[in-house]
Amino acid sequence: QQQVKQSPQSLIVQKGGISIINCAYENTAFDYFPWYQQFPGKGPALLIAIRPDVSEKKEGRFTISFNKSAKQFSLHIMDSQPGDSATYFCAASSGAGSYQLTFGKGTKLSVIP
Amino acid sequence: EAQVTQNPRYLITVTGKKLTVTCSQNMNHEYMSWYRQDPGLGLRQIYYSMNVEVTDKGDVPEGYKVSRKEKRNFPLILESPSPNQTSLYFCASHRSGYNSPLHFGNGTRLTVT
Repeated sequence: QQQVKQSPQSLIVQKGGISIINCAYENTAFDYFPWYQQFPGKGPALLIAIRPDVSEKKEGRFTISFNKSAKQFSLHIMDSQPGDSATYFCAASSGAGSYQLTFGKGTKLSVIP
Repeated sequence: EAQVTQNPRYLITVTGKKLTVTCSQNMNHEYMSWYRQDPGLGLRQIYYSMNVEVTDKGDVPEGYKVSRKEKRNFPLILESPSPNQTSLYFCASHRSGYNSPLHFGNGTRLTVT
């Protein structure tokens, strides 16, 4: 049973547009929600993360929106650039247990000029 | 430079021929883990280790072995590889604490014929 559902699987956005990737989780014990960015030929790297005590976190053009009651969170990339073209993974973990992240299946973003 | 180093980057082998993928980190991280990445399936954890001589199964451990004899090294062993283990493998490390970012290596692309 997949614990973190991510959509869409792929996304094409024009340069300057807004990219939106959504994730939903089932485990109410999750309390840490990071997003990882992966460029071709590289391993994923932490992009931005949020705790459920806030509804939004912004870092530059990247914003996480969090809806605890709906058990959903999303990544918004404002003014998307070709350099943002990558695969994005949402993830979740809880403070209890072994600190293991559960990843979504990933979204391949292509930003076209 | 802080990094996770995997070797080899590419490996082609035949069914049943034992192989080892090495992973080393220079950040003195307690936690290390192995993931496999497959199209449409995202990142799935194979094994993880919380410290020297402490390992546990992830989501897809069948057909794999690991060992953690030194803090910096966490090799992945396929004793009898099969074609369904053809995949992109990533090693990762992080400090203790569930909101510590994972540091990934650049991956090992394994093909089993």
